[in-house]
Amino acid sequence: NAGVMQNPRHLVRRRGQEARLRCSPMKGHSHVYWYRQLPEEGLKFMVYLQKENIIDESGMPKERFSAEFPKEGPSILRIQQVVRGDSAAYFCASSPRGRRSSYNEQFFGPGTRLTVL
Amino acid sequence: LAKTTQPISMDSYEGQEVNITCSHNNIATNDYITWYQQFPSQGPRFIIQGYKTKVTNEVASLFIPADRKSSTLSLPRVSLSDTAVYYCLVEGTGGFKTIFGAGTRLFVKA
Repeated sequence: NAGVMQNPRHLVRRRGQEARLRCSPMKGHSHVYWYRQLPEEGLKFMVYLQKENIIDESGMPKERFSAEFPKEGPSILRIQQVVRGDSAAYFCASSPRGRRSSYNEQFFGPGTRLTVL
Repeated sequence: LAKTTQPISMDSYEGQEVNITCSHNNIATNDYITWYQQFPSQGPRFIIQGYKTKVTNEVASLFIPADRKSSTLSLPRVSLSDTAVYYCLVEGTGGFKTIFGAGTRLFVKA
């Protein structure tokens, strides 16, 4: 049973370009979470999605950032018109049950390291 | 959402037991406590989770006093490979956010 897959592992973009980060959850998991981590800091929650639905996007910047988790295919975190401040590691996690379930373990992917030149 | 406070860093030697304490004074009734481990350039990895008293698994123990305002992660006989950042989280079944603090950087020396 493969773990959470993220690609690409490293992504370099120039200012103003778009970045697309992909996350394939573990088999059987229908809940996906995205986090951002700056160097030497903890992870910051961005968005929580269930298949075809955004459940909580309160941690997502209001502009340029969007996320989706279609019925088929991976979850996508999209950053438009990237700026240098978007450089960070972006982690995706999945879980078999949602946040309203007790004892809900999240399984994290290896992350995508975005560098904006 | 309950805020957590934990030491910024700790040092230990191989073979010692390490206890990392996390404070969560405003934990709510439906909140549970989770600890994650993160190595450099990797995603966090679940270690242990509990609600009250003591929980033990193959890698760690989690001690939670009756008032639940703190919790202690206990790592028995650490090795060099346990050098990592350890995050304490408090999550509620009624909420959606997972809040990671700055974590505790554990350095295990030979």
